[in-house]
Amino acid sequence: DGGITQSPKYLFRKEGQNVTLSCEQNLNHDAMYWYRQDPGQGLRLIYYSQIVNDFQKGDIAEGYSVSREKKESFPLTVTSAQKNPTAFYLCASSVTQGSSYEQYFGPGTRLTVT
Amino acid sequence: KQEVTQIPAALSVPEGENLVLNCSFTDSAIYNLQWFRQDPGKGLTSLLLIQSSQREQTSGRLNASLDKSSGRSTLYIAASQPGDSATYLCAVYNNNDMRFGAGTRLTVKP
Repeated sequence: DGGITQSPKYLFRKEGQNVTLSCEQNLNHDAMYWYRQDPGQGLRLIYYSQIVNDFQKGDIAEGYSVSREKKESFPLTVTSAQKNPTAFYLCASSVTQGSSYEQYFGPGTRLTVT
Repeated sequence: KQEVTQIPAALSVPEGENLVLNCSFTDSAIYNLQWFRQDPGKGLTSLLLIQSSQREQTSGRLNASLDKSSGRSTLYIAASQPGDSATYLCAVYNNNDMRFGAGTRLTVKP
């Protein structure tokens, strides 16, 4: 089955530790995105990548880092510099060339930092 | 900067009712508008996508309309069922920028 996988589903970390969230897609999509969702708010874009080895900051990139070494993978690292890291993180992907740019989402990772 | 608003924030209806969810956006220069469903603790499932040149899209009991000039979209759900209970989000896309509303939490009571 084609789709987007995120792991783990739940993640717990102590304050001051970096943590990496996994996102893998087998849809052959060029573009991948990371969003953060907080209660009562819409999704906010952290980073996006339209092609391998290239990525751009979104609205709330501070305290986060990403890499795009393979088309299928777009891991997100939440660093200790992120002031409020506890949130629900969603990864998405889309086709970019001559398409509708419809976005498809993974199941999400809930990160809790104490 | 594009802003997306969804009203109401929550809606409760009895089973069988037809209902309308609203989405408004401030900048009419959009490439497309997408409606999603989100169940608690889950990711987003795409329901309907309307391109900027289209007026509506239909899938089963769902119908989404788009009026770019007024900055509005509606999601119509016919003959609602308890399984329709979820949060519904709309999002507008343009130039690598996708903006989401905060969603409408729908409860359909048996």
